[in-house]
Amino acid sequence: SQTIHQWPATLVQPVGSPLSLECTVEGTSNPNLYWYRQAAGRGLQLLFYSVGIGQISSEVPQNLSASRPQDRQFILSSKKLLLSDSGFYLCAWSAGTSGSGADTQYFGPGTRLTVL
Amino acid sequence: GDSVTQMEGPVTLSEEAFLTINCTYTATGYPSLFWYVQYPGEGLQLLLKATKADDKGSNKGFEATYRKETTSFHLEKGSVQVSDSAVYFCALSSTGANNLFFGTGTRLTVIP
Repeated sequence: SQTIHQWPATLVQPVGSPLSLECTVEGTSNPNLYWYRQAAGRGLQLLFYSVGIGQISSEVPQNLSASRPQDRQFILSSKKLLLSDSGFYLCAWSAGTSGSGADTQYFGPGTRLTVL
Repeated sequence: GDSVTQMEGPVTLSEEAFLTINCTYTATGYPSLFWYVQYPGEGLQLLLKATKADDKGSNKGFEATYRKETTSFHLEKGSVQVSDSAVYFCALSSTGANNLFFGTGTRLTVIP
């Protein structure tokens, strides 16, 4: 069966510090991968998605970047964090081919980031 | 563009009460529709889905029917439990799209 891991689970960082959040998926090949942010009291906002190694699409302009160095690894980064980067970051995967089930996304446990 | 409008909360119900959380959508083509649930401190879990008109998704006593004529996918449960307390998100995936469009979420609290 497929599993998705995210770490760290919680993180407290000062403004201006760098960020690296990691997400890995097991039990599937060539998944689509996604990063979402959930700000306090708000819905989910898609930040990035990737359909393959080295292929990253950004949905909103921001202070963050994403990379996919391996098929099942997705990394969210920032060179200098802002207060507004605080939130709950969720990684998700979906089947990498069209057809049944490709539209369903499965989420990791999330990382709660607080920028002070 | 594609969007989801979800009933705003919070919703507080007594145990064994009937639950309805409204969700309507705007989309081109024939989207797939989803309900996700987020328990306190956790990520999102898929609760149920429907991929075409008149389909009914169901899981754990929850149901939702894909109504194309009213562009709706309302979530219902006949008798809620304290353990159902969570935030519920309606979402859609358009044909050929690479992402889900989420509603803002509805917080449900069930009291004994």
